[in-house]
Amino acid sequence: DAGVTQSPTHLIKTRGQQVTLRCSPKSGHDTVSWYQQALGQGPQFIFQYYEEEERQRGNFPDRFSGHQFPNYSSELNVNALLLGDSALYLCASSYRQGTSTDTQYFGPGTRLTVL
Amino acid sequence: AQKVTQAQTEISVVEKEDVTLDCVYETRDTTYYLFWYKQPPSGELVFLIRRNSFDEQNEISGRYSWNFQKSTSSFNFTITASQVVDSAVYFCALSAYNTDKLIFGTGTRLQVFP
Repeated sequence: DAGVTQSPTHLIKTRGQQVTLRCSPKSGHDTVSWYQQALGQGPQFIFQYYEEEERQRGNFPDRFSGHQFPNYSSELNVNALLLGDSALYLCASSYRQGTSTDTQYFGPGTRLTVL
Repeated sequence: AQKVTQAQTEISVVEKEDVTLDCVYETRDTTYYLFWYKQPPSGELVFLIRRNSFDEQNEISGRYSWNFQKSTSSFNFTITASQVVDSAVYFCALSAYNTDKLIFGTGTRLQVFP
């Protein structure tokens, strides 16, 4: 049973560039959430996708956008990269039950470095 | 507003010692969920436990145990007879019933020395 997978593992970009990160959920899961984890901090919620729509959003600017595909996989896009966007980006998947979902299971993350 | 506080930044113990990681939370919701995750050096967050606000029973799973006390808004995690493989950063997290947004604490780095 494959867990949550993310690609790429590492990424180096320069300020102003755009980046796309990818996530495949755990088998049987239909909901994907994205988190940003700065060095030495706890993860911060970016947004969540269910049924190909953004359902919840944290306190992140519009430069952060996403997409969910019919197979439940998801992308996180960040435009006009800033040095402060350097972080570990974690994807979590879960199964939706009623108005809330079951436990979120995390992938290994993508480490983004912005120079 | 919701908040999770993990006051212990770093804890160092010698193998076979017992260690307790503290977690204090703030929420105005009557229904909520509490979690503990483990983050080894590889970076992946590993789920350990989920409890809902109506279940204050303590739980034991092998060497791990959790003490949930609503009266003090605490959800502490104890590792008995620690092992080197327990070395990691441990995060406590909170979510309200009608949202999946996890609010994490800043984590506690546990180092277990042989």
